[in-house]
Amino acid sequence: QKEVEQDPGPLSVPEGAIVSLNCTYSNSAFQYFMWYRQYSRKGPELLMYTYSSGNKEDGRFTAQVDKSSKYISLFIRDSQPSDSATYLCAMIDRGTGRRALTFGSGTRLQVQP
Amino acid sequence: DAGVIQSPRHEVTEMGQEVTLRCKPISGHDYLFWYRQTMMRGLELLIYFNNNVPIDDSGMPEDRFSAKMPNASFSTLKIQPSEPRDSAVYFCASSGRGRGETQYFGPGTRLLVL
Repeated sequence: QKEVEQDPGPLSVPEGAIVSLNCTYSNSAFQYFMWYRQYSRKGPELLMYTYSSGNKEDGRFTAQVDKSSKYISLFIRDSQPSDSATYLCAMIDRGTGRRALTFGSGTRLQVQP
Repeated sequence: DAGVIQSPRHEVTEMGQEVTLRCKPISGHDYLFWYRQTMMRGLELLIYFNNNVPIDDSGMPEDRFSAKMPNASFSTLKIQPSEPRDSAVYFCASSGRGRGETQYFGPGTRLLVL
């Protein structure tokens, strides 16, 4: 079993829809949680960064972390065609001193105009 | 800032040849990471450096892979000899103090081994 599970999609939604992307993980020691967006043939770019449980909002994006359920989510409001990309969740256990990120496999999102 | 720079962007080579991938991290960043991305395995860490010193190379697949960081502004990932199963996109990323765990990725090198 992978440490981080993510539905690969593709997820297709109409423009303006609310999108929900999710990851589950097995390592309860993960402390920092990130969402990266990756456009086709580009490198991943950081979208959201959260520490421990709770919500964080940035414009149309909201990240949620539920450590008790080992579940994280990214919500995109008023989705736009420009949001079409692969979304990768990532997490890190700083308790080990290790700086490496563990990534989900990515969910491919298509927003139809 | 120019961001993380990788070269070449594309590489096509024949099995058995040596391949060298290059990375220039963001100036001032003290961590450098090499990742590999494939459809089957997703994004996997190969190795990372802190202040030019390799810290964790547990993701390096085998002895055919080697990485160096001779100075703070340059790193190489070498595959010798290359095999078709090494075909993937190789990303370099860097991070620095004051930005927590934020890693900034380069555009990647798309490697095809025939």
